[in-house]
Amino acid sequence: DGGITQSPKYLFRKEGQNVTLSCEQNLNHDAMYWYRQDPGQGLRLIYYSQIVNDFQKGDIAEGYSVSREKKESFPLTVTSAQKNPTAFYLCASKRSPEAFFGQGTRLTVV
Amino acid sequence: AQSVTQLDSQVPVFEEAPVELRCNYSSSVSVYLFWYVQYPNQGLQLLLKYLSGSTLVKGINGFEAEFNKSQTSFHLRKPSVHISDTAEYFCAVSVGTNAGKSTFGDGTTLTVKP
Repeated sequence: DGGITQSPKYLFRKEGQNVTLSCEQNLNHDAMYWYRQDPGQGLRLIYYSQIVNDFQKGDIAEGYSVSREKKESFPLTVTSAQKNPTAFYLCASKRSPEAFFGQGTRLTVV
Repeated sequence: AQSVTQLDSQVPVFEEAPVELRCNYSSSVSVYLFWYVQYPNQGLQLLLKYLSGSTLVKGINGFEAEFNKSQTSFHLRKPSVHISDTAEYFCAVSVGTNAGKSTFGDGTTLTVKP
């Protein structure tokens, strides 16, 4: 079955560490997105990529980095510069205009 | 730029009662409209979408929504809810073709009580 796979489902990070969240899709979609979700808030866009080897900052890109070396993969790195990283992270890909979502990664700083 | 406003952050309702979750949007151009459902600790699942044509759109799980261009609204309705409908619901708008960004509302938590 085609879909979007995020891993891991739960991730714990110590203060000052960088961590990378994985997102893989086999839907053959060109566009991929990373969103952050906090309790009581909607989805806020971190980064997006419309084509391989190209990506753009979203609304809250500070403290995050991405790469898009393959069409299928769009990993997100949460750096130590992100002061409040505890959140639920969602990856999506798009067959315009509809977005398809992964199951999310819950990141907790310990 | 477009924006989405979900008018109710929480909607409690009894089982088998009807429900309406309200969504208004603003955009200077034509939009595509979506409703997604999210269960705890899961991703978003598409409930229904309006792309063009009939303004009454039917989706999964017995939900439907009506696109009202003059009122810039896209309210979600279900005539009789079940306990299993308890979840968070997001309204979203997308503009244009290709892979333009989607804008999401802040979500409405639907709680169905027995």
